[in-house]
Amino acid sequence: QSALTQPPSASGSLGQSVTISCTGTSSDLGGYNYVSWYQHHPGKAPKLMIFEVTKRPSGVPDRFSASRSGNTASLTVSGLQAEDEADYYCSSYAGSNIFYVFGTGTKVTVL
Amino acid sequence: QLQLQESGPGLVKPSETLSLTCTVSGGSISSSNYYWAWIRHPPEKGFEWIGSIYYGGTTHYSPSLKSRATISVDTSKNQFSLKLTSVTATDTAVYYCACHVALTGLDSWGQGTLVTVSS
Repeated sequence: QSALTQPPSASGSLGQSVTISCTGTSSDLGGYNYVSWYQHHPGKAPKLMIFEVTKRPSGVPDRFSASRSGNTASLTVSGLQAEDEADYYCSSYAGSNIFYVFGTGTKVTVL
Repeated sequence: QLQLQESGPGLVKPSETLSLTCTVSGGSISSSNYYWAWIRHPPEKGFEWIGSIYYGGTTHYSPSLKSRATISVDTSKNQFSLKLTSVTATDTAVYYCACHVALTGLDSWGQGTLVTVSS
């Protein structure tokens, strides 16, 4: 199974929004409702931001939202704050008990 | 909230076996419904899921690592472990332990530990 495809970088101004895409296939991202998104500040533990395509774990601000259309999922961060500057990774179940296939990662810069 | 912490050697020689342990606190590793997972993050690359073990002992592995990886649980110590045999430089990565419920997201992670494969 191949990695999911994300743009290497994205940016937005303080208070504005940024949207990150994640593209897979019908055999993974498009075929199951098990898409998740992670925020990673280098040197720290990754943090789950979204699970099951659109759900937010408790404690994650509602500035973070997600959606999916076909084989592409998206994560939107609204009202950008300085602490949102991080790497973001998508992930999906890929069938056949391959629990997690990750995206290539997107570095979000807050201008 | 579960807390996880990886431990193990930071340097492994090529062709040898990488061995890491994850200690779980804040809950029992025997708790029903939890899977315990290993993920790695090679330098300049994305994350890679290595495998997961269910509290009852069932394991699932990435096809690309299945022949070399073994995940096991020690309930008496509230720990789970990873062994990766015949390592090469491409196995150099930050290794994380994590947990998840069914196919939902990896909701608790350790801080990660860097393992370098070099002679």
